[in-house]
Amino acid sequence: DAKTTQPTSMDCAEGRAANLPCNHSTISGNEYVYWYRQIHSQGPQYIIHGLKNNETNEMASLIITEDRKSSTLILPHATLRDTAVYYCIVRVHSGNTPLVFGKGTRLSVIA
Amino acid sequence: ETGVTQTPRHLVMGMTNKKSLKCEQHLGHNAMYWYKQSAKKPLELMFVYNFKEQTENNSVPSRFSPECPNSSHLFLHLHTLQPEDSALYLCASSQSPQGRNEKLFFGSGTQLSVL
Repeated sequence: DAKTTQPTSMDCAEGRAANLPCNHSTISGNEYVYWYRQIHSQGPQYIIHGLKNNETNEMASLIITEDRKSSTLILPHATLRDTAVYYCIVRVHSGNTPLVFGKGTRLSVIA
Repeated sequence: ETGVTQTPRHLVMGMTNKKSLKCEQHLGHNAMYWYKQSAKKPLELMFVYNFKEQTENNSVPSRFSPECPNSSHLFLHLHTLQPEDSALYLCASSQSPQGRNEKLFFGSGTQLSVL
């Protein structure tokens, strides 16, 4: 599975959009981009995933560049409860190995 | 509430104790997982069970012994642990075996302290 690179930490003002970048320059054609987040002292929570088209759900939007070498997770109106570590994971959708989590980005939403 | 329940939430044990962590999922999933998260480290996969059969053991020491009596329940039996085993132990489940469906549902974890 392709490796990902994320900033270690980011801050965002409450009510503003939080844009979390992820680089996956070695991604292959059949690999999806997944995002999870982990709020302190809880288990990770699935957010969204996509292949090449932009995706949106009730939690967030996922923007994938045309060359698929990077993506951005957007939380449109960040709240204090969005403070968490956000993990970007790239892997084949029907792979035979479970998800591998990296270090992620620690997002702090500030009042 | 994710449909995956872990007990206990907190556990303190001595190095000579024997204890068990319990995980139960109410989602009708077929695959269950144990992950370990040490302080300031990424999640580490420990074990994978598909349809009650262990399909992956990620070089975990034998002092950790998993048990999966059915698709809804997963245990992690602990004995003669070391202080460095102190960590957050997370259970997860997914609908499909072998991680084909990457929508994992995690429990809240058991925070383990080994004294």
